[in-house]
Amino acid sequence: AQSVAQPEDQVNVAEGNPLTVKCTYSVSGNPYLFWYVQYPNRGLQFLLKYITGDNLVKGSYGFEAEFNKSQTSFHLKKPSALVSDSALYFCAVRDAGGYNKLIFGAGTRLAVHP
Amino acid sequence: EADIYQTPRYLVIGTGKKITLECSQTMGHDKMYWYQQDPGMELHLIHYSYGVNSTEKGDLSSESTVSRIRTEHFPLTLESARPSHTSQYLCASIAGERTDTQYFGPGTRLTVL
Repeated sequence: AQSVAQPEDQVNVAEGNPLTVKCTYSVSGNPYLFWYVQYPNRGLQFLLKYITGDNLVKGSYGFEAEFNKSQTSFHLKKPSALVSDSALYFCAVRDAGGYNKLIFGAGTRLAVHP
Repeated sequence: EADIYQTPRYLVIGTGKKITLECSQTMGHDKMYWYQQDPGMELHLIHYSYGVNSTEKGDLSSESTVSRIRTEHFPLTLESARPSHTSQYLCASIAGERTDTQYFGPGTRLTVL
């Protein structure tokens, strides 16, 4: 069965410091991986995705993610965190069963402190 | 980005009422999805559709029903709302098989008293 794990419920980081939000996956076949962000009382916003190609994927708002096949990880990163980055972040993998269904992780709350 | 609209954004309703949550998109996307999300928690797929007159149940069992009579419209209905239905409901769509990214609407936060 396919699954996504986000091992940290919350990540705290000081503004200006680099941030990492962790994600590991378990899939059969090649993974299609996604990161979404959710601000309070809002829907999910697409940040970036990995389908194939370069292991380092660049996305919106200065975020990037590194695909590591040997470690089955897809960690989200940003070199310098902003207070406005504080939100709930979801990692997702496309379900191999078709219809472009996504399987989401439990989410990680990022808190960036001034 | 796709334009996906959900109405209402917030709904407080009494037990036993019938409600319909609206979702529409203007991009002609084939596939549409409904997710249920408790506040700050993970998303669970409850319904999806891959085109007009096609609907399927998702991974999480739900007492709601959906219909897809028009490509742009994917409403979700609860015949008799209960407090256990209190949650946020998110709608999403995707253009087609070769496009992988789901785009989400703003969500409807439902409270059943």
